[in-house]
Amino acid sequence: DAGVIQSPRHEVTEMGQEVTLRCKPISGHNSLFWYRQTMMRGLELLIYFNNNVPIDDSGMPEDRFSAKMPNASFSTLKIQPSEPRDSAVYFCASSLQAQPQHFGDGTRLSIL
Amino acid sequence: SQQGEEDPQALSIQEGENATMNCSYKTSINNLQWYRQNSGRGLVHLILIRSNEREKHSGRLRVTLDTSKKSSSLLITASRAADTASYFCATDDTGGFKTIFGAGTRLFVKA
Repeated sequence: DAGVIQSPRHEVTEMGQEVTLRCKPISGHNSLFWYRQTMMRGLELLIYFNNNVPIDDSGMPEDRFSAKMPNASFSTLKIQPSEPRDSAVYFCASSLQAQPQHFGDGTRLSIL
Repeated sequence: SQQGEEDPQALSIQEGENATMNCSYKTSINNLQWYRQNSGRGLVHLILIRSNEREKHSGRLRVTLDTSKKSSSLLITASRAADTASYFCATDDTGGFKTIFGAGTRLFVKA
């Protein structure tokens, strides 16, 4: 079992650039979650999918953020244009519906 | 908004001592979970307790749940340096899709 795989692990880019974070959930899991973690705000749920369909995106901070899940084995979180306040660790997690979540090791994003 | 709030925010103990962390939440829940996060890693699920359960054990972990007080506690017995991590409680909304995490307790176990 490979677990949830996120890429890249680290990303440093200049403000204004587009950033794309990627996630491969555990095979067979039908729910996928994107979180953002900062010291100030803790762990925030941005969006979650069930059976590849976005269920709740109320946590997405602005229109600059978008997420897609084109199939059961892949999801992306895109920030365009990026801003320094977007700097955080972004986690992807997957689960079988209503079961405990399995987290990836995150992408540490720094926007200069 | 955060559903669960952990207490204390940080805890420092000696190896071998017990560590107790508390969590309070605001609304009715289906279950409550505890997760651990080691530095630089993702969260790892530790234990789940259902709303109709009062206590649950897993190895050195003991979790209690008091739905009348909307609170839970996580006890780690005979702590080890490897237990150093942040611990989060998490509750599910009534739909069962969305898990809301608290701010976490940072535990430091000194060898």
